[in-house]
Amino acid sequence: EPEVTQTPSHQVTQMGQEVILRCVPISNHLYFYWYRQILGQKVEFLVSFYNNEISEKSEIFDDQFSVERPDGSNFTLKIRSTKLEDSAMYFCASSDSGRNEQFFGPGTRLTVL
Amino acid sequence: SQQGEEDPQALSIQEGENATMNCSYKTSINNLQWYRQNSGRGLVHLILIRSNEREKHSGRLRVTLDTSKKSSSLLITASRAADTASYFCATDGFYGGSQGNLIFGKGTKLSVKP
Repeated sequence: EPEVTQTPSHQVTQMGQEVILRCVPISNHLYFYWYRQILGQKVEFLVSFYNNEISEKSEIFDDQFSVERPDGSNFTLKIRSTKLEDSAMYFCASSDSGRNEQFFGPGTRLTVL
Repeated sequence: SQQGEEDPQALSIQEGENATMNCSYKTSINNLQWYRQNSGRGLVHLILIRSNEREKHSGRLRVTLDTSKKSSSLLITASRAADTASYFCATDGFYGGSQGNLIFGKGTKLSVKP
């Protein structure tokens, strides 16, 4: 069964460093999303991406964040200058339609020291 | 309160019993989805119910939706120890809805004792 994959599974970085989280969505899906979950808290929407551009973004997704689909398979989230409060689990999701099920990857645990 | 709030926050039952979790939300929705998350792991999609549906079944799962009360329930019948996980409801529509951006609740932590 096709699934969303994410790499790395765990990333440790120093405050102020740039990180890139990678995702490979399900191949025939057109809608892509990033969410994050701070430990013990609810899953929060960050950004949605369709037709090679950002569709919507939350207030969390500030100028330090960017997304890119550099080729036909990868979808990346970049954090330019990480802060301690960026420590969280980051989930990528994809869907074939904006109104159907979203399938989530296993997540990347980001730890900012 | 937030969009998509589940209750109870925690539920402990014996294997074989049924587990019912509830979710309330505030705004209009296109659909409501339920997800399961094992500790520290990813989100597994369980079931989607659309705003024009009232009930949906999938295996041992039964989901209801009452749009007049803005609430949904997830029933797991004949629970197993492997059902131990956190369960989240997620609604779309808050950020415009057409792209399906999901708003999650805080989840119900279900513990099924063997």
